[in-house]
Amino acid sequence: ATQMTQSPSSLSASVGDRVTITCRASQNTRSDLAWYQVKPGKGPKLLIFGASSYQSGVPSRFSGSGSGTDFNLTISSLQPEDFGTYYCLQDYTFPLTFGGGTKVEMK
Amino acid sequence: QLQLQESGPGLVKPSETLSLTCAVSGYSVRSDSYFWAWIRQSPERGLEWIGSLSYGYSTEYSPSLKTRVTISADWSKNQLSLKLASVTAADTAIYYCVRHRQWEPHHWGQGAVVTVSS
Repeated sequence: ATQMTQSPSSLSASVGDRVTITCRASQNTRSDLAWYQVKPGKGPKLLIFGASSYQSGVPSRFSGSGSGTDFNLTISSLQPEDFGTYYCLQDYTFPLTFGGGTKVEMK
Repeated sequence: QLQLQESGPGLVKPSETLSLTCAVSGYSVRSDSYFWAWIRQSPERGLEWIGSLSYGYSTEYSPSLKTRVTISADWSKNQLSLKLASVTAADTAIYYCVRHRQWEPHHWGQGAVVTVSS
């Protein structure tokens, strides 16, 4: 199975900060990677698919990059509503695998 | 418009079998163009893929759950089902039905909360 290693596991940042979350795959996943945001009491929200394609309605401050084994999710200017936990998911091959999550907290 | 609606008992006793149904509207599950997955979410384990099914393909399962899980479809009712045997408290989670394929947005249902407790 493809292991997805996400880092950091948590971070604390201020409004306006640039935040980058990294996901590393144990083997090539081409660009078949998605990023999700999860908030308490709510279902997962798809942000990015295909490593860099925006889901409809997602603010442009979110961006995805990378291919192969190394991927990034960047929030260009962190907003208060961006707190939550972020997960990457590779859907290149079965079993589908998620990263361990990155909890984003506001300073 | 595609809609997925999960349903089933919200409370399951330990050692029993969890059974959920996903009713799909707006698209036929009897299509080999997409996979239909079950994914669960819990505070302790985060997001976890359980398995995926597609018409004409063999069903894929998570290696860690493979011995306890069965995913199937009722093509005539346009429904999917999930059965998870011998549940424990660790199986307490929100269970989601998801349509997916590469290079397209994944489409999720609202989720079904399942608590395992006596």
